[in-house]
Amino acid sequence: QKEVEQNSGPLSVPEGAIASLNCTYSDRVSQSFFWYRQYSGKSPELIMSIYSNGDKEDGRFTAQLNKASQYVSLLIRDSQPSDSATYLCALRTGSARQLTFGSGTQLTVLP
Amino acid sequence: SQTIHQWPATLVQPVGSPLSLECTVEGTSNPNLYWYRQAAGRGLQLLFYSVGIGQISSEVPQNLSASRPQDRQFILSSKKLLLSDSGFYLCAWAEGLYNEQFFGPGTRLTVL
Repeated sequence: QKEVEQNSGPLSVPEGAIASLNCTYSDRVSQSFFWYRQYSGKSPELIMSIYSNGDKEDGRFTAQLNKASQYVSLLIRDSQPSDSATYLCALRTGSARQLTFGSGTQLTVLP
Repeated sequence: SQTIHQWPATLVQPVGSPLSLECTVEGTSNPNLYWYRQAAGRGLQLLFYSVGIGQISSEVPQNLSASRPQDRQFILSSKKLLLSDSGFYLCAWAEGLYNEQFFGPGTRLTVL
């Protein structure tokens, strides 16, 4: 079983809809969770960090963390074509220096 | 604010040739530094990380090596490139309690 699992997609949503991206993980000791956005041919960009159970909102983005169920999700409200990218989920276990990345979900927002 | 640089941006090298990729960070002190590789259409593979000058941890045994000669400089090297070394090489830095990582622009390496 992979440590971090993401649906590879592609996930397509119409412009203005809510895009929901999900990530599950296997290590219950995981404590810090991150969402990165990667445009084609570019490097990943950190868009959200979440460390405690519940929701964290930043503009059109909401990260949701449920440690009991071992999943973290990213909601993108009012999706725009410019949101089309691959979204990478990453986690940090305990005091480790490394992050473990999922393989990413490709999102396409259709105009 | 912090800035991370990588060069070169693109590189085409023949099999068996040496490699040197450089990463520098500005605006921070004693960051954790990382080298990742991303093969075409694939996820991120952590290659090396460093918590200080001269301190290198290797995550994957291979023909690559890393060095950190200065606090904000991280170098990825190879003596002889393989075809399988082709990919997008990313440097990242992190600091602070949660160790959020921030990536540089990357170097796209093609080995022919």
